[in-house]
This record gives sequence, C-alpha cells and structure tokens, in this order.
Amino acid sequence: AQSVTQLGSHVSVSEGALVLLRCNYSSSVPPYLFWYVQYPNQGLQLLLKYTTGATLVKGINGFEAEFKKSETSFHLTKPSAHMSDAAEYFCAVSGTGGYQKVTFGTGTKLQVIP
Amino acid sequence: DTGVSQDPRHKITKRGQNVTFRCDPISEHNRLYWYRQTLGQGPEFLTYFQNEAQLEKSRLLSDRFSAERPKGSFSTLEIQRTEQGDSAMYLCASSSQGNYGYTFGSGTRLTVV
Repeated sequence: AQSVTQLGSHVSVSEGALVLLRCNYSSSVPPYLFWYVQYPNQGLQLLLKYTTGATLVKGINGFEAEFKKSETSFHLTKPSAHMSDAAEYFCAVSGTGGYQKVTFGTGTKLQVIP
Repeated sequence: DTGVSQDPRHKITKRGQNVTFRCDPISEHNRLYWYRQTLGQGPEFLTYFQNEAQLEKSRLLSDRFSAERPKGSFSTLEIQRTEQGDSAMYLCASSSQGNYGYTFGSGTRLTVV
C-alpha cells in the first residue's frame, strides 16, 4: 500500500517569496504522484502529476514538482507566491498500471502574507 | 465538458434520517470515485466504479452506506440512519481509463444535527 506524508500542516510565505510544500511518499514500487489544490468549500483541482518520464513536472499556475526517488520525495515549488495561491494543497499517491486507488495526504494550508 | 456535478451542495439532516447524494461525472469518463473529507483531513477513499460495476469499497463504508451507478452514468451515495459522525464533505471524482488524475466535483457538505 502507498502513503504520503506532508510536512507542515500550515505554511506562511510573503507575497513574491518562494513557495515550498513538502511531500514524502512510501511505496514498495515506483508510484504515480500528484498534487491537488483545494479552495474553501470547493472540490480538489489537479495541479500536476508524475507518472513516467521527466522527473521535473510542471503544472498549472506556475507550480512545479520534482520526483526524487533517492529521497522518496515529491516537493511542490513556485518561485514567487501570489495572493491567489492561498489555499490547501494535497499530495497524493497511487500505484501504477490499470486501476489504482489514489491515497491523499493530510494537506498543507498555504497562507500568503501581503 | 461541464465538469463533475454534485447535488446538493449542502445538506442538513437530523440524526437518524436517510440522505442521498448525486454525482454526474464527465460524460466520457468511465471511472467514478467517492471520497469523504472531514475538517483538517485529506480525502478518504470510499468506493470506486468502473462503468456500472462497483469494484472496490473501503472498510469506511459501513452497512449504512450504499452507492450505485446505474447504466454507468450518474452515481448516487445513500447514507441510512445518519449519525453525527457522518458529518463531512462528500466528494465525487471521475477519470477516464488510462488517464491518471481525477476531476473532482465541488462536493456535498453534510451536517447531521
């Protein structure tokens, strides 16, 4: 079974500063990895995903994440935070091939300070 | 493509009552999922349909919960004899075979009083 651990339930950054949200995964086989964003009282929106190929994945809204097998990590970054980035971010993992259930982390709430 | 629709958006019910939620997935998506999210937590898997077949159910889904997807189109999630612990956001998502990454609806927030 796969799982993810998100380090830090709350992260605060100043507008214009680097955003770094941490995610480590646990899996006995190479997994698929995802980042989702959730705005208040909304569903989740897929930011980016890693399945195969390039380990640096670019997503929407200027976010990117790098799959590091040696560190079992999939941290989410954005060079310059914008006020509209304030939301909750979820890292998620699944197995590969055919149907594989997606398991979510507990989330990191990002606050952007003007 | 109108996205994944969930109805209602909010439901307040008295303990012991039955409730039913509906999810309309993206029409081309043959896979449909239900998740439950409580405050401060990530979504927890409840059940999965491929077309009309329910292929996986979580142990979280007690006997009071039932889900259907007749004809492989919309899905319903029913909770019988609701309890206060059922209060949560119920999220529906869909995907197409071979496309990894779900499209979520806006959820139904259930409050049991």
